[in-house]
Amino acid sequence: GQQLNQSPQSMFIQEGEDVSMNCTSSSIFNTWLWYKQDPGEGPVLLIALYKAGELTSNGRLTAQFGITRKDSFLNISASIPSDVGIYFCAGQLSTGGFKTIFGAGTRLFVKA
Amino acid sequence: DGGITQSPKYLFRKEGQNVTLSCEQNLNHDAMYWYRQDPGQGLRLIYYSQIVNDFQKGDIAEGYSVSREKKESFPLTVTSAQKNPTAFYLCASSQGDTQYFGPGTRLTVL
Repeated sequence: GQQLNQSPQSMFIQEGEDVSMNCTSSSIFNTWLWYKQDPGEGPVLLIALYKAGELTSNGRLTAQFGITRKDSFLNISASIPSDVGIYFCAGQLSTGGFKTIFGAGTRLFVKA
Repeated sequence: DGGITQSPKYLFRKEGQNVTLSCEQNLNHDAMYWYRQDPGQGLRLIYYSQIVNDFQKGDIAEGYSVSREKKESFPLTVTSAQKNPTAFYLCASSQGDTQYFGPGTRLTVL
């Protein structure tokens, strides 16, 4: 089936560093979504992207919808300890249907 | 307060028993979803419903059943036919392309 390749799988960084993660696919997407999940909680929507080339910010977070519509990245600037968690990308396929495809997640660890 | 609620937060059952997980939303969303999440893994779709009285199997529907009698509610039953039911279960709803998640239910089968 369709796959989203999310990388890296995990990141260990120092507080204050910038972080970048991305998702790629061989399929074309109409929508890209980025979520953050804290341990034992449901994912919370961070940023939603609806247009190829779109660059959207939410505080220290910035995400872009790739021009080819097959990829997206999320950047976090000046990381803080509460950024720790799992970040998921998700995409809605352009081929119709109703399913959203999720990446496997990037686990972020921030050392104070 | 608008949102999605799942109850209970933690659920323990003996092997061979059916168990029903609750999901309620007051966002007036048409579509609702159930996902399963195993440790260190992403989300796998169990069932989804686009409108009341209609639902479709996802990627891992075997051993699960759902109903959608009301727009606000989408309960999931984990049956004894599900081989490895211990997992974190997430409910979501959407209007358009963006899904919003509930807090999840951790089911442990002893």
